[in-house]
Amino acid sequence: EAQVTQNPRYLITVTGKKLTVTCSQNMNHEYMSWYRQDPGLGLRQIYYSMNVEVTDKGDVPEGYKVSRKEKRNFPLILESPSPNQTSLYFCASWQPNTGELFFGEGSRLTVL
Amino acid sequence: AQKITQTQPGMFVQEKEAVTLDCTYDTSDPSYGLFWYKQPSSGEMIFLIYQGSYDQQNATEGRYSLNFQKARKSANLVISASQLGDSAMYFCAMRDETGGFKTIFGAGTRLFVKA
Repeated sequence: EAQVTQNPRYLITVTGKKLTVTCSQNMNHEYMSWYRQDPGLGLRQIYYSMNVEVTDKGDVPEGYKVSRKEKRNFPLILESPSPNQTSLYFCASWQPNTGELFFGEGSRLTVL
Repeated sequence: AQKITQTQPGMFVQEKEAVTLDCTYDTSDPSYGLFWYKQPSSGEMIFLIYQGSYDQQNATEGRYSLNFQKARKSANLVISASQLGDSAMYFCAMRDETGGFKTIFGAGTRLFVKA
């Protein structure tokens, strides 16, 4: 089954404690991306990757890091989380010249 | 810069009636794709429909159709014969397909279907 898998789905953490949200896709897609969703703002792109070792900033990259060492994985790293990073996070993947972005189920993060 | 605008924060529709959700966009890219996604209360993002900027005909997928007016830069979603299960948040999105493949989303429209 074609899917994008994110972990953890839910996380409560404290300010400054480094965390990683993993994302893995099984469709051999070249492109992957991370979004955060906040009420009234829709989804905003944090980072995206066009292939292994190729990443670029989206609209809200501050406070986040990513890496793309393998085609299937695209982890999101919060080195020192702050309360303003409390949000719902989505990972997505797609292939150029096709339609759909495939989304993971979302990861709800709370930073206290 | 690219921009997506959904001007309707919330809408009501009677069950079995049709409803149009508005979406306008702005881009200077010659090639782009337009999407609609549904997000029910459970939170997952469900793909509904896709329209490429060079597609001559409006996209349709079952009860969903995308009313694409390129000159007006609008990509409205039409849902025919609304069902109670259509109550959800709906997001319009645009993807640059000239090389960067960056995708941006609108703020969303929450649709309520009344019985």
